[in-house]
Amino acid sequence: DVKVTQSSRYLVKRTGEKVFLECVQDMDHENMFWYRQDPGLGLRLIYFSYDVKMKEKGDIPEGYSVSREKKERFSLILESASTNQTSMYLCASSQLRDREYFGPGTRLLVL
Amino acid sequence: SQKIEQNSEALNIQEGKTATLTCNYTNYSPAYLQWYRQDPGRGPVFLLLIRENEKEKRKERLKVTFDTTLKQSLFHITASQPADSATYLCALDMNNAGNMLTFGGGTRLMVKP
Repeated sequence: DVKVTQSSRYLVKRTGEKVFLECVQDMDHENMFWYRQDPGLGLRLIYFSYDVKMKEKGDIPEGYSVSREKKERFSLILESASTNQTSMYLCASSQLRDREYFGPGTRLLVL
Repeated sequence: SQKIEQNSEALNIQEGKTATLTCNYTNYSPAYLQWYRQDPGRGPVFLLLIRENEKEKRKERLKVTFDTTLKQSLFHITASQPADSATYLCALDMNNAGNMLTFGGGTRLMVKP
């Protein structure tokens, strides 16, 4: 079975801190994604990557950056965390784009 | 702009009945549509994919229909069980290159024993 892991399940940070969220997949998938999920707003795509060192903006990239130096690892970076970035962050991967495999999520609280 | 609508109100049904969830979309013609299940505090899990040239797809107690004229997909769970209680999300490819999925807000299903 495909396994997508995320570095933390829960994270508490202070406003202005730099935050790194890491995601690792073990199935050699080409595509990786970062979403955030908020009540009433559903899942929204932040960034995705279809290859090493490649990235594409999703619907809400502002305030975020990403890094994909290795195929299995996709990092989401909050350069200067703000309270409106408090959310559930979900990483996903896919190969043929016929389905996405999601990680367990990171619940981030920015104080 | 593309829009995907799912009933934001929870659907409450009795165990053993058929649950029917709706996904409507506008301003787009997706090549395929997917359904996911999400339990509280967890990531979504893929259930089914249906392509634009398929009218219906089944998997065990699950059935999905896809009406490209009505721009609607229906998701059915027959003989529902309390373990089916979860939030169900539909998702569409934003472009035919298949690079991005757009998710609906999800419908929460509660199956009461």
